[in-house]
Amino acid sequence: DVKVTQSSRYLVKRTGEKVFLECVQDMDHENMFWYRQDPGLGLRLIYFSYDVKMKEKGDIPEGYSVSREKKERFSLILESASTNQTSMYLCASSLLSGRGNQPQHFGDGTRLSIL
Amino acid sequence: QKEVEQDPGPLSVPEGAIVSLNCTYSNSAFQYFMWYRQYSRKGPELLMYTYSSGNKEDGRFTAQVDKSSKYISLFIRDSQPSDSATYLCAMSARRDDKIIFGKGTRLHILP
Repeated sequence: DVKVTQSSRYLVKRTGEKVFLECVQDMDHENMFWYRQDPGLGLRLIYFSYDVKMKEKGDIPEGYSVSREKKERFSLILESASTNQTSMYLCASSLLSGRGNQPQHFGDGTRLSIL
Repeated sequence: QKEVEQDPGPLSVPEGAIVSLNCTYSNSAFQYFMWYRQYSRKGPELLMYTYSSGNKEDGRFTAQVDKSSKYISLFIRDSQPSDSATYLCAMSARRDDKIIFGKGTRLHILP
């Protein structure tokens, strides 16, 4: 089974802090994704990466950056946390679509609160 | 028109009933269709994955795709309280790594 592991289940930070969310997958997937999930808004794509050191903006990249130095690890960075970034953050991974479109597999999420 | 529409519910049904969950979509390029189940405070878990039109069955779950109507369904037979969760539909176009998600339907199975 695919395993996507997010480093923290719950995290509390203060406004203005730099926040790092870590995600690791163990299935050698090329693609990795960061979403945030908010009530009434559903899943919104922040960034995704299809290879090491490659990244693409999703639908809501403002206030975020990402890093992918190794294939299995994808980090989301909140440069200067703000209260409107309080949310559930979900990491996902999938095989590259060149092998036929593949579904995404999710971690259990990090519930981040910015005070 | 939103790309993917899904009734948020909540949908409450008695244990043992057949549940029908649905999504409509507007992009005729979608060819890959997924259903995810998400329990409270957990990440979405892939339930069903289908390509193009037709039906796919896995145990108590059946996924149905009608591309001519741009409509997909998930049926749950002999529903159990453990099926209580939020169900997300998702879809993607050919050779597109991005997936478009519905906002989810909350389902409650009443014992």
